[in-house]
Amino acid sequence: AQSVTQPDIHITVSEGASLELRCNYSYGATPYLFWYVQSPGQGLQLLLKYFSGDTLVQGIKGFEAEFKRSQSSFNLRKPSVHWSDAAEYFCAVGAYSGAGSYQLTFGKGTKLSVIP
Amino acid sequence: GAGVSQSPSNKVTEKGKDVELRCDPISGHTALYWYRQSLGQGLEFLIYFQGNSAPDKSGLPSDRFSAERTGGSVSTLTIQRTQQEDSAVYLCASSELLITHTDTQYFGPGTRLTVL
Repeated sequence: AQSVTQPDIHITVSEGASLELRCNYSYGATPYLFWYVQSPGQGLQLLLKYFSGDTLVQGIKGFEAEFKRSQSSFNLRKPSVHWSDAAEYFCAVGAYSGAGSYQLTFGKGTKLSVIP
Repeated sequence: GAGVSQSPSNKVTEKGKDVELRCDPISGHTALYWYRQSLGQGLEFLIYFQGNSAPDKSGLPSDRFSAERTGGSVSTLTIQRTQQEDSAVYLCASSELLITHTDTQYFGPGTRLTVL
């Protein structure tokens, strides 16, 4: 079965600083990887996704993520954080279960706080 | 167009009562998913529908949980004899067509269920 680990529960950065959120996955086949963001009281919004091809993917709001198969990682980065980026970020892997049901398996999330 | 909508946005109920949660997917989306988000468990997959059919119901936490989808559109998640551990945010998502793993899931704002 697939699993996702986000080692950092909470990260605090200063506005304008760079950001990297870590994500490690476990999956037996080619992974389909996603990053979602959830602002307080809001639903989950897709930031970016990786299926194949270029291992560096660009997303919305200036985010990017790099797939590293050798490290089973899909870390999210942003060069300069804005106060509006404060939210909770979820990494997920998409896969079929043995019974044919497709699902996203999420990490526990990383809460990002931004200091003005 | 409109996104995924869910109703009610908040539901407070007494232990032992039945509740029904509704999801309206994006028009034309054939795949629909239910997830549960709770403090202790993070985001858990519950069930997915392709059209009106759910190939695998093993993600439902207990036999008190059931879900149906009619007309390839609206879905309802029913919890019978609610327990306090059912308190969570129930999220619904939809995607256009589950041909490959590349379909993006679009999430609704969720229904916050509180069982007293």
